[in-house]
Amino acid sequence: DAKTTQPPSMDCAEGRAANLPCNHSTISGNEYVYWYRQIHSQGPQYIIHGLKNNETNEMASLIITEDRKSSTLILPHATLRDTAVYYCIVRVALSGNTPLVFGKGTRLSVIA
Amino acid sequence: EPEVTQTPSHQVTQMGQEVILRCVPISNHLYFYWYRQILGQKVEFLVSFYNNEISEKSEIFDDQFSVERPDGSNFTLKIRSTKLEDSAMYFCASSERPGGGAPLHFGNGTRLTVT
Repeated sequence: DAKTTQPPSMDCAEGRAANLPCNHSTISGNEYVYWYRQIHSQGPQYIIHGLKNNETNEMASLIITEDRKSSTLILPHATLRDTAVYYCIVRVALSGNTPLVFGKGTRLSVIA
Repeated sequence: EPEVTQTPSHQVTQMGQEVILRCVPISNHLYFYWYRQILGQKVEFLVSFYNNEISEKSEIFDDQFSVERPDGSNFTLKIRSTKLEDSAMYFCASSERPGGGAPLHFGNGTRLTVT
């Protein structure tokens, strides 16, 4: 089962920042935090991941609290095309092809 | 940007028939996965594969399922005798290297409908 807790749904106004929270209070020191999204019935799309430090790429920023028990995915300027289900996933950092375990995610609706 | 491609996009089959779902992973990736998503439900892990061997499989991946890398580019999932409950989206994924620090990249799936 997924080791994360996310709100089932959120709304965000177009052009505003979307801040998606995730709780992972039982995370271990050797586990990454991953974010994926799924637009309609397409395949999950990788967004970003991090271990301890905050991360930023062309899609989003990931803010991880100092105790690593929660994180926030930030889409700086949400567009209608960002409407999707967003998944926060904790994944162990061992060698080998450890699978991702998906939960129910947060359904983000970007509103014009 | 390189991507994982899956064929066919939609497959309809009759109960009891065999189906093969095909995937072309990203070319320099060595680690492969299959997932499925029944309509309205979560994305579920089926199997992971490396060096021509299954690395890990879920309880869903029973004897009716098999995976193969028949050549240097394709990765297939075979369902020997399909059941109605096998109707789902099937997603293939690949990653470049082992370990939790390498993201999985997913294809856009094959919708399997069993009638």
